[in-house]
Amino acid sequence: DQQVKQNSPSLSVQEGRISILNCDYTNSMFDYFLWYKKYPAEGPTFLISISSIKDKNEDGRFTVFLNKSAKHLSLHIVPSQPGDSAVYFCAASPYNQGGKLIFGQGTELSVKP
Amino acid sequence: GAVVSQHPSRVICKSGTSVKIECRSLDFQATTMFWYRQFPKQSLMLMATSNEGSKATYEQGVEKDKFLINHASLTLSTLTVTSAHPEDSSFYICSGYVVGTNYGYTFGSGTRLTVV
Repeated sequence: DQQVKQNSPSLSVQEGRISILNCDYTNSMFDYFLWYKKYPAEGPTFLISISSIKDKNEDGRFTVFLNKSAKHLSLHIVPSQPGDSAVYFCAASPYNQGGKLIFGQGTELSVKP
Repeated sequence: GAVVSQHPSRVICKSGTSVKIECRSLDFQATTMFWYRQFPKQSLMLMATSNEGSKATYEQGVEKDKFLINHASLTLSTLTVTSAHPEDSSFYICSGYVVGTNYGYTFGSGTRLTVV
């Protein structure tokens, strides 16, 4: 049972344009969401997070939007840069379960010069 | 920022042997650490939650006798893969929970285990 889903395994974007990565979830008990960037054979690096009481959080080029009614979140990267090329994972934390994270399958972003 | 140091980064072992992976929190106290595994091009799957001074909590389907977790101090958690088999070959990552930050979790660099 995949509680966090990233339905696009890959995304290709031109440098300078916007990258939009999507994530859907099924568990209404998730109260905190995070996006991570990961390179092969390395641990994930935190990008941005959002609490379920908010619908938007912004940090520089990265913005995360949360639509609780649709159980959907998205990560916007603008402008996209070649250095953004990596695998992006969304993760969700269930309320009152000790802080564990449930990850999506990841989306491989390729930003072309 | 908070750092988790994970060793070894890569290990190759023979079937039937045991392998220990260490995760140390370098500049914070991790009362809770999480262990994940990742198969190629797949998600990070939570294996277990490690709590300092108590038994680990394992996710459904994870054999606790095969994946031994010890969290003897606030800065060290270990995962031992016992009697390793080729199907245990995977990428193992630990994560420490950092209280009071907006990122909450910091990950180790991962261990690539290959069982031959």
